[in-house]
Amino acid sequence: DAGVTQSPTHLIKTRGQQVTLRCSPISGHKSVSWYQQVLGQGPQFIFQYYEKEERGRGNFPDRFSARQFPNYSSELNVNALLLGDSALYLCASSLYRNYNSPLHFGNGTRLTVT
Amino acid sequence: ILNVEQSPQSLHVQEGDSTNFTCSFPSSNFYALHWYRWETAKSPEALFVMTLNGDEKKKGRISATLNTKEGYSYLYIKGSQPEDSATYLCAFNFGNEKLTFGTGTRLTIIP
Repeated sequence: DAGVTQSPTHLIKTRGQQVTLRCSPISGHKSVSWYQQVLGQGPQFIFQYYEKEERGRGNFPDRFSARQFPNYSSELNVNALLLGDSALYLCASSLYRNYNSPLHFGNGTRLTVT
Repeated sequence: ILNVEQSPQSLHVQEGDSTNFTCSFPSSNFYALHWYRWETAKSPEALFVMTLNGDEKKKGRISATLNTKEGYSYLYIKGSQPEDSATYLCAFNFGNEKLTFGTGTRLTIIP
């Protein structure tokens, strides 16, 4: 079975640009979460989507948005990129919405903003 | 602000030795505690999800304990092997939609 897949693996953008990151969950998983990981810190929660609806949002500005499609894949969009948005963006899927279920992570998208 | 603290930040262990490290979290509103192993160039892999005070979980040479009353969890690795080299992350959930991660313990096994 395929795991969580994310694309692209690496991305270089300049300040002010917009970026879209994509994630395909494990087949049968309806919950998708996005996390941002900056070097030296643990992953920080950005969004959770379940059954195509936003179920939670972390402490990130409105420049960050996401959506989940009928096939449960998800996109994370970041507008007006800042240098501080440079990070590894991790997508994770889980079978259930609650956190008794372990998260299954993708390999991440490394975003560099110059 | 609810923080998760992990110690030590990094650790070098001789192959064959056993080791352990700590995750501290707020003891109020506890819901679940997760452990993940994150090897270089790979994705984080779930080791354990623990929900009950006194829980003990084991997976091969790796085990974990949970004390929700005092707010800590220990991860133990018995007879360390080179493939155990990774960053070990714990993450805390207090009943909402997110996990709050610690900064991890970076474990290096010396052959």
